[in-house]
Amino acid sequence: DAGVTQSPTHLIKTRGQQVTLRCSPKSGHDTVSWYQQALGQGPQFIFQYYEEEERQRGNFPDRFSGHQFPNYSSELNVNALLLGDSALYLCASSADSTYEQYFGPGTRLTVT
Amino acid sequence: AQSVAQPEDQVNVAEGNPLTVKCTYSVSGNPYLFWYVQYPNRGLQFLLKYITGDNLVKGSYGFEAEFNKSQTSFHLKKPSALVSDSALYFCAVRDSLYNTDKLIFGTGTRLQVFP
Repeated sequence: DAGVTQSPTHLIKTRGQQVTLRCSPKSGHDTVSWYQQALGQGPQFIFQYYEEEERQRGNFPDRFSGHQFPNYSSELNVNALLLGDSALYLCASSADSTYEQYFGPGTRLTVT
Repeated sequence: AQSVAQPEDQVNVAEGNPLTVKCTYSVSGNPYLFWYVQYPNRGLQFLLKYITGDNLVKGSYGFEAEFNKSQTSFHLKKPSALVSDSALYFCAVRDSLYNTDKLIFGTGTRLQVFP
């Protein structure tokens, strides 16, 4: 079992650009959540996808959007990047009613 | 508002000594509580959870946590610390306002175990 995988590992973008991050959930998991972890902070919930729909959203602007595919994999898109978007972006997967979330290694996004 | 507090930015302990990493919570209803560990440049690894049942929860790598409802605490413990336990530890609570798996994290506690 490969666990949760994310790509790319690292990414450097310029202000104003757009970025897409990808996540494949752990086998058997159907729910994907995205978190942003700024340096020295705890992860902050961005949104969660279940059955290809956004089920819950955290306090992030509309520049952050996502998608879930029929195979349960997911993408996080961020438009009009700001310096403050620099962070580790974590994907977590879970199976409904198990309450445990398994995290991927993250994508380190640097905006210059 | 639902929240988790980790009052210590860093905990230092000598190898072989017991360790405690503190966490307090504030939620509506019954809390679902979690501990995760993060090693440098890595994602979060699940250690243990409290959903219901015994107040003492055993998890991975010899860690355990004690749920105390009256003190709204969920402290992480280990009887004998290892140097390899040095890492960043996060306490989290499941958002009880929605029927989802959204986690609310504390700010983290850095554990440093000295040889």
